[in-house]
Amino acid sequence: TQLLEQSPQFLSIQEGENLTVYCNSSSVFSSLQWYRQEPGEGPVLLVTVVTGGEVKKLKRLTFQFGDARKDSSLHITAAQPGDTGLYLCAGVPSHKLSFGAGTTVTVRA
Amino acid sequence: DAGITQSPRYKITETGRQVTLMCHQTWSHSYMFWYRQDLGHGLRLIYYSAAADITDKGEVPDGYVVSRSKTENFPLTLESATRSQTSVYFCASSEGPGSTNYGYTFGSGTRLTVV
Repeated sequence: TQLLEQSPQFLSIQEGENLTVYCNSSSVFSSLQWYRQEPGEGPVLLVTVVTGGEVKKLKRLTFQFGDARKDSSLHITAAQPGDTGLYLCAGVPSHKLSFGAGTTVTVRA
Repeated sequence: DAGITQSPRYKITETGRQVTLMCHQTWSHSYMFWYRQDLGHGLRLIYYSAAADITDKGEVPDGYVVSRSKTENFPLTLESATRSQTSVYFCASSEGPGSTNYGYTFGSGTRLTVV
């Protein structure tokens, strides 16, 4: 059983559409991180959210941390083919990161 | 070059053989980690190290051994490889423990196949 549940598992959209990826848990986290992984490479950190209710923006990507610090979402506006990849959320139940299984996002040109 | 380097990128080995995966980082990060990534399971922590000569088990440590005699190196050894250890292995490093704002920096991975 994953400590962090991500949904959907797969997402395929057309260029220009919007998408949202969810990361949920029954546990409270001191912080949550989002990573993007491209084929054949390791995950790369996108953002860390720390405060309940926090919203961070990274160009067309908007990250939100739930008020209770148990969930997070990633919203991509006007997706581009370059956004294609595996999106992973990660949280710290103790002092080591625990990862969700990820959402594979495919943006078709 | 600065960064975190894993070697080899690809490895095929036979069941029962010992194999070592190498990880080297140039940032002098205190923390280093080994994860395996499998379809349906995501990234699972095998072992981690908070400093030289300090290591601890993660979620799936059985069949693996680690050492950290130097801050920059964190090799992972499969003592007697099994087919269930076929996976992609990622090494990561961090300035601090995951409970702070410190993100992890990952290597490019080693794809290991046990036949």
